[in-house]
Amino acid sequence: GDSVTQMEGPVTLSEEAFLTINCTYTATGYPSLFWYVQYPGEGLQLLLKATKADDKGSNKGFEATYRKETTSFHLEKGSVQVSDSAVYFCALSEGNSGYALNFGKGTSLLVTP
Amino acid sequence: ETGVTQSPTHLIKTRGQQVTLRCSSQSGHNTVSWYQQALGQGPQFIFQYYREEENGRGNFPPRFSGLQFPNYSSELNVNALELDDSALYLCASSLELAGGQETQYFGPGTRLLVL
Repeated sequence: GDSVTQMEGPVTLSEEAFLTINCTYTATGYPSLFWYVQYPGEGLQLLLKATKADDKGSNKGFEATYRKETTSFHLEKGSVQVSDSAVYFCALSEGNSGYALNFGKGTSLLVTP
Repeated sequence: ETGVTQSPTHLIKTRGQQVTLRCSSQSGHNTVSWYQQALGQGPQFIFQYYREEENGRGNFPPRFSGLQFPNYSSELNVNALELDDSALYLCASSLELAGGQETQYFGPGTRLLVL
């Protein structure tokens, strides 16, 4: 079945450092891919998405490119801020599974001043 | 703010009891999905409702049931609570069209503790 694998955290970075969080997926068809962010004590917020191969999703300085050849959707940001400290979830959805979101386990990011 | 609200925010129950959680969808959305997020884990899909009918279900037992109302608000019911049901329960609303389903927007969640 479909699955998402994320790099394990926690990831600790200094402010203004470059961020990469790896995400790879397994799917039977052509899924849409998502990054959601969860701040402490809150629900999930959509960060960005891509619906087909080679699409690049971007938002708030974060980017991720849908790579079908490597089945990856890595999240990147050129310069992180303390306010980016949160848990990041990679997810996929497919029409043949009713568009249910299939999440990775999450990667915790801590940015220090 | 996603426009999706959930109630209550926190709940404590004892093993064997029943619980009902509520979700109000974003205006204009016709689909609601429920997820269970155990501590330190990613959310797991419970089920989805589209126009008041179940439209998909994850690997959860029948004691997890739901309803969607004509105004697209929704309930998640869990019977015979077990300790492992302690989790954050998230609902997400979306708009399903003929060409597919739009992005799911999440509420803040209900944190359930079963003692």
